[in-house]
Amino acid sequence: GQNIDQPTEMTATEGAIVQINCTYQTSGFNGLFWYQQHAGEAPTFLSYNVLDGLEEKGRFSSFLSRSKGYSYLLLKELQMKDSASYLCAVILRGAGTALIFGKGTTLSVSS
Amino acid sequence: GAVVSQHPSRVICKSGTSVKIECRSLDFQATTMFWYRQFPKKSLMLMATSNEGSKATYEQGVEKDKFLINHASLTLSTLTVTSAHPEDSSFYICSAVFLSGLFRETQYFGPGTRLLVL
Repeated sequence: GQNIDQPTEMTATEGAIVQINCTYQTSGFNGLFWYQQHAGEAPTFLSYNVLDGLEEKGRFSSFLSRSKGYSYLLLKELQMKDSASYLCAVILRGAGTALIFGKGTTLSVSS
Repeated sequence: GAVVSQHPSRVICKSGTSVKIECRSLDFQATTMFWYRQFPKKSLMLMATSNEGSKATYEQGVEKDKFLINHASLTLSTLTVTSAHPEDSSFYICSAVFLSGLFRETQYFGPGTRLLVL
């Protein structure tokens, strides 16, 4: 079976930095996505990693190590609006195949 | 990023009726779209893969006669929940595959449809 693990919940304060880890054991691997989902809304795309390394996009960065089956999402300068669920998802094969989602990490940012 | 719309955003229906949900890619063509459902505080569960011009591929445990999928064009896929029951009440979300490069694809999600069956 496919296994994608993330912490269930995390808390942090405004202005801080938080790292959300994701480990995966899947039958195939063609890339890893991070999505943000606010309660009652659909997921919004944050990042997509195919190759090893860090990709930075504003306050958000995502890292991938294919050999270790590991990724993390780094959020800097946290804001209250960053309180949401963060979903790690793996695409097993090539273009047009479905994503396998982790259960998501609920991040609560307090002032 | 690419835009995917869903309609309706919210629907309430009586048990036994059918409900159609539309998923559109507004500024790109999508040969593949996916339909997910999500129960409160649970992760997204893939229901089916919708391919333009061919039959949908359903995940194990999803009844194809109950959840009819039609991908009639490169920008539209529809999900029809037939003979809806209260247990079908859920958040239904579609996604569309956007190819931005040779080895680069992204799935963009629609805003979701909240279905409540009374």
